[in-house]
Amino acid sequence: QSALTQPASVSGSPGQSITISCTGTSSDVGGYNYVSWYQQHPGKAPKLMIYDVSKRPSGVSNRFSGSKSGNTASLTISGLQAEDEADYYCSSYTSSSTWVFGGGTKLTVL
Amino acid sequence: EVQLVETGGGLIQPGGSLRLSCAASGFTVSSNYMSWVRQAPGKGLEWVSVIYSGGSTYYADSVKGRFTISRDNSKNTLYLQMNSLRAEDTAVYYCARNPLSRGLHYLYFDLWGRGTLVTVSS
Repeated sequence: QSALTQPASVSGSPGQSITISCTGTSSDVGGYNYVSWYQQHPGKAPKLMIYDVSKRPSGVSNRFSGSKSGNTASLTISGLQAEDEADYYCSSYTSSSTWVFGGGTKLTVL
Repeated sequence: EVQLVETGGGLIQPGGSLRLSCAASGFTVSSNYMSWVRQAPGKGLEWVSVIYSGGSTYYADSVKGRFTISRDNSKNTLYLQMNSLRAEDTAVYYCARNPLSRGLHYLYFDLWGRGTLVTVSS
């Protein structure tokens, strides 16, 4: 049950696009299209941003998009805004009928 | 209103026990997959345990044999019994729901509580 691998931090200027990667194994990310992404602001509960690799829940901006290739999933945020500054976590369902999260990525909007 | 409210956190000595509760409203706990997820201070999210709608339970290796997830259908409440607590169990504990729609269970967490803080320290 090793955590998925995410970069510790990414940054971008308002209006730019950034991508956060999430690397797992064939037992989780690579084996299922059940990758989800969560946004967490300080002191708040996580919020679902992307599910099933690339689907957006109602109410989430279309500036957020997800994709996957092999054992690596990605979250892209386009048109960066100040309110996007937060921690982002990926998660995947696993072959053990459990879930695993990534270590988290701190997004800084410059 | 659809929501989850966790209670039961607090300060506990190493080796002690604590039971967390997660009261649900607006939906039926027993119909959904329900998980506990924790977050140590300044750290990332860690999945802890799940109880499936059929009653099967699974645990992270870090808590297996010490924690027990359960639910009370009459109270529409999820629980996490935590025994043999260690300093490394110190965290905010969230309960989270996997959505159920048109008979299909989805494998992501769409609803989270605000969390309850567990501090294990002497």
